[in-house]
Amino acid sequence: SYELTQPPSLSVSPGQTVTITCSGDKLGDQYASWYQQRPGQSPVLLIFQDSKRPSGVPERFSGSNSGDTATLTISGTQPMDEADYYCQARDRTNFIVFGGGTKLAVL
Amino acid sequence: QVQLQESGPGLVKPSETLSLTCRVSGDSVSSASYYWSWIRQPPGKGLEWIGYIYYSGTTNYNPSLKSRVTISVDKSKNEFSLSLTSVTAADTAVYYCASRVRGTGGVWFDPWGPGTLVTVSS
Repeated sequence: SYELTQPPSLSVSPGQTVTITCSGDKLGDQYASWYQQRPGQSPVLLIFQDSKRPSGVPERFSGSNSGDTATLTISGTQPMDEADYYCQARDRTNFIVFGGGTKLAVL
Repeated sequence: QVQLQESGPGLVKPSETLSLTCRVSGDSVSSASYYWSWIRQPPGKGLEWIGYIYYSGTTNYNPSLKSRVTISVDKSKNEFSLSLTSVTAADTAVYYCASRVRGTGGVWFDPWGPGTLVTVSS
C-alpha cells in the first residue's frame, strides 16, 4: 500500500521559517494537499493542488511538490501556528492516503 | 458554503455495527459537485480515510476497511451515512465527515465536520 512519511515533530522559533516534508514514491506525480489541526479541532485545509491556498489561509503558508517529496513552508511562523500538520494524496489506484502527521511546536 | 454535522451513538459494543450520519447544509447531497466522505482519527493518532460516495451511488472505500464499510446517501434528508460492521476497540476514533470537490487535479477535503467520538467498549 502507498505510504506518505512525515517527521513526527518539529520545532521553530516565532518569526522563523519552517519546512515540513512529506515523502512518498513518486509523490510529485500526484497532487498533494495539506491540513492543519489544532488541539481539539477538526482539520482545516491549508494547501490543495500542491501549492494553492483556499481563501482565508494566510500567505505565510506555501506548498510545493516534486520528485518524491511535497513540502509545506510556513514563513514568519506565529505562535498560533502550533498545531499538527498532515499531508494527503491519492495513490495510483485512486485510494486516498494521509501522512502520519507532524506536530509543530513554536518555542 | 457547505456545512457538515456528524451524529450518532458515542458508544458501541464490540462485534456490533457502528452507524453515523452526516447532515449536509448549504448545498444538496444530490449535487454533482461533491464526493461525500468519511475520515477517522483514533485518539492521539493520525487521520485515516474510510471512503466516499458520489450522489449517483458510486463509492470508493479504503481497502483495509472495505469488507466492513458501507457509505450511503439519503437524498430526502440531505444526509449521508456510514456503517461499519463487526467493530473492535481498534475502531475507537473521532469520526469526521468531509466534502471533496469533484473535478480534475487531485483530491482535497473541505470543509470537515466537527467530528464525533465513537468508543467501542462493552
